[in-house]
Amino acid sequence: AAGVIQSPRHLIKEKRETATLKCYPIPRHDTVYWYQQGPGQDPQFLISFYEKMQSDKGSIPDRFSAQQFSDYHSELNMSSLELGDSALYFCASSLRGGRSPYSYEQYFGPGTRLTVT
Amino acid sequence: DQQVKQNSPSLSVQEGRISILNCDYTNSMFDYFLWYKKYPAEGPTFLISISSIKDKNEDGRFTVFLNKSAKHLSLHIVPSQPGDSAVYFCAAAQGGSEKLVFGKGMKLTVNP
Repeated sequence: AAGVIQSPRHLIKEKRETATLKCYPIPRHDTVYWYQQGPGQDPQFLISFYEKMQSDKGSIPDRFSAQQFSDYHSELNMSSLELGDSALYFCASSLRGGRSPYSYEQYFGPGTRLTVT
Repeated sequence: DQQVKQNSPSLSVQEGRISILNCDYTNSMFDYFLWYKKYPAEGPTFLISISSIKDKNEDGRFTVFLNKSAKHLSLHIVPSQPGDSAVYFCAAAQGGSEKLVFGKGMKLTVNP
């Protein structure tokens, strides 16, 4: 079965540079989520989109922005990178309209490992 | 403040025995709970979930138990297999919000 695709898998940037992470959800999934996992930490929710509209927002820095496109893929744009942004960034997708009315069962991609030097 | 807590960082069991992974939560508004398994260099894989209106959900070798009054849930894996060795995350969601709140994970090692 098709899974969530993330690219690139690894990215090395220098401080103050910008980075763009891409996510392609499971076909027919309409909701995309972004999570950040620091070393030895649990994944932290950043932001989510449903039908190209932002649907929920977590602890996403103002330096980060994201959007979902008409083909449902999503991009996370990160500017003025800091050393502390080094982390594993996961994208997940789901098909809304499951339970009440949200589908909590999110399916994760393999992640993009961002290293800021 | 950690709203979902997995207090044991690791567990080691023998193949064929039962693995019991525990999770506690503090937010009484959580109404849906999930378990994810994660291998190195891969994303979390959804395992099993439970709604707060139930106290048990079973799927093959995996059973999740929910004790709402104690704000506690557990994942039972029986029989445990070496391929179950991974980091297990407990996650929770609150009605009206799509974000999952994760615990810090627990490393399970199943020895042959």
